[in-house]
Amino acid sequence: AQKVTQAQTEISVVEKEDVTLDCVYETRDTTYYLFWYKQPPSGELVFLIRRNSFDEQNEISGRYSWNFQKSTSSFNFTITASQVVDSAVYFCALLPRDDKIIFGKGTRLHILP
Amino acid sequence: DAGVIQSPRHEVTEMGQEVTLRCKPISGHDYLFWYRQTMMRGLELLIYFNNNVPIDDSGMPEDRFSAKMPNASFSTLKIQPSEPRDSAVYFCASSLVGRGTDTQYFGPGTRLTVL
Repeated sequence: AQKVTQAQTEISVVEKEDVTLDCVYETRDTTYYLFWYKQPPSGELVFLIRRNSFDEQNEISGRYSWNFQKSTSSFNFTITASQVVDSAVYFCALLPRDDKIIFGKGTRLHILP
Repeated sequence: DAGVIQSPRHEVTEMGQEVTLRCKPISGHDYLFWYRQTMMRGLELLIYFNNNVPIDDSGMPEDRFSAKMPNASFSTLKIQPSEPRDSAVYFCASSLVGRGTDTQYFGPGTRLTVL
């Protein structure tokens, strides 16, 4: 089965706290791509990161970091020192080599001032 | 560079009417995707094109939905006749190369309400 699970439906944290959004995926393919997208209240989808299955290096971009672990089929996203502007719905997505892109249900993140 | 452009941004129509959503992909992108987002089903891929040719339309819900890409800079998604359950946000996305293995860039979406 090809599947993306974002178990956290909604998370609320106070500004400046760190927060981790979980993403667990299932795929039968050995070659695949993983993505994170942000959907702010305005509604558009904003690309954050793309990772292929052969690159397990963690990545950091400013306050954002991603932890890709093939052993646990997880691709978690951490926001450090969260800000109110980080409030959004975050989607994890899986693109298997031989199938269509599959999005998780999303995690709604509230950053409280 | 302009991103993916979609029109209209909002559409309200009555059941039974024809609805046409429009998309202009990023110039030079060979792949174009149509998605639908609803609370119940989340984000779903409806159809995608490569070099203006439909490649996979298995996500199109039923025959009432059709999509075309007459040239590299324009695509339409048509619903005829529309039904209330078609109410959703419809996104268009484009990517540069590969079967979507390149990053997809999304348009702002069209919010469709069918009364």
